[in-house]
Amino acid sequence: DAEITQSPRHKITETGRQVTLACHQTWNHNNMFWYRQDLGHGLRLIHYSYGVHDTNKGEVSDGYSVSRSNTEDLPLTLESAASSQTSVYFCASSSHNDNYGYTFGSGTRLTVV
Amino acid sequence: KQEVTQIPAALSVPEGENLVLNCSFTDSAIYNLQWFRQDPGKGLTSLLLIQSSQREQTSGRLNASLDKSSGRSTLYIAASQPGDSATYLCAVSGNQFYFGTGTSLTVIP
Repeated sequence: DAEITQSPRHKITETGRQVTLACHQTWNHNNMFWYRQDLGHGLRLIHYSYGVHDTNKGEVSDGYSVSRSNTEDLPLTLESAASSQTSVYFCASSSHNDNYGYTFGSGTRLTVV
Repeated sequence: KQEVTQIPAALSVPEGENLVLNCSFTDSAIYNLQWFRQDPGKGLTSLLLIQSSQREQTSGRLNASLDKSSGRSTLYIAASQPGDSATYLCAVSGNQFYFGTGTSLTVIP
């Protein structure tokens, strides 16, 4: 079965370190998205991609970067982790074949200490 | 910018009751609307997707309606069960998805 997987599920890192969160989907979806979820703010878009080598900034992109070298993967990098980036991160994908409905991964809980 | 609001933020009902969750949005120029369920500590599970040309979608005990002109959607849950306890999120899409902050539902046995 097709799926979208995120790794790691949990991570603790120190302030100032570079961290990369992985997202891998086997739906063959062109569109991939990264969100963070925080109490009181809901889900906020960080970065998104509509295809290989395409990346776009979302609402809260400062301090994050992504790259898309193939259809399946969209890794999210925190250049220099800050305590404000402690959050739960969700990856999602979509395709015109599914009327652009979202499929979500299970999330990564990141703690920056 | 699209604003999505879900009221109430929390709801408790006795088992067996029919209930309605509300979602409103400010910009009617949407491509589709999707309802999700989120269990504590888990990811989002898609429940129903309504395209902008549709008025409603049904899946089992769930029925979602869409009124673009008034900027509203409702999720109707029939004969609620304790297993329905979760947070329900709606999201609307134009060029990207915008999410509400959800309604936390508790179904009391």
